[in-house]
Amino acid sequence: EIVLTQSPATLSLFPGERATLSCRASQNINIYLAWYQQKPGQAPRLLIYDASTRATGIPARFSGSGSATDFTLTISGLQPEDFAVYYCQQRSSWPTFGGGTKVEIK
Amino acid sequence: QAQVVQSKEELKEPGASVKVSCKTSGYDFSGYYIHWLRQAPGQGLEWMGWINPKSGGTNYAQKFQGRVTMSRDMSTTTAYMEMTSLTSEDTAVYYCARVYITAPYFGPWGQGTLVIVSS
Repeated sequence: EIVLTQSPATLSLFPGERATLSCRASQNINIYLAWYQQKPGQAPRLLIYDASTRATGIPARFSGSGSATDFTLTISGLQPEDFAVYYCQQRSSWPTFGGGTKVEIK
Repeated sequence: QAQVVQSKEELKEPGASVKVSCKTSGYDFSGYYIHWLRQAPGQGLEWMGWINPKSGGTNYAQKFQGRVTMSRDMSTTTAYMEMTSLTSEDTAVYYCARVYITAPYFGPWGQGTLVIVSS
């Protein structure tokens, strides 16, 4: 099983700041990584797939980068609606998810 | 626009079974796999398996083999997930999700179905 480790567990930032979230894979997964946003009581929403491609309708302030084992989700200029939990997911083998990073208002 | 709507919350006793439905609309049902995932309270996401609506073929995570059955009804473009021998550890929100384009990335998702297992 491919294990994804997300850091930090919690990120406290002011609106307008840049958020940088990390996801590390236990083995090489090429670029086969996605990022999701989940708000309380809602299903996850796909933001980024194949490490850096934005899904349809996702604002340009969300960007992804990385390959092999190290990946980053960057949110440039946090909006009030961006405070949520973010998960990474790999599809190199059967799908697994990271433990999540909560982005909270400072 | 593709949409996925799931059945309502379920309360089950230990040892019982549950069947969750996933009604789709707005796209070619036969063209996209449907995956099932779950999320225990306050926890992360766990993948359970998929069904190919066109062929009816399925693939289950090893953890759920023998206890989960995924099926579909082409006439109503609805997918189903049935789980047997429920325990309290199965208490979770169960999601169905269509694959995004082709690869197993997920979107759109259903709204989730809370299954509570309690005596």
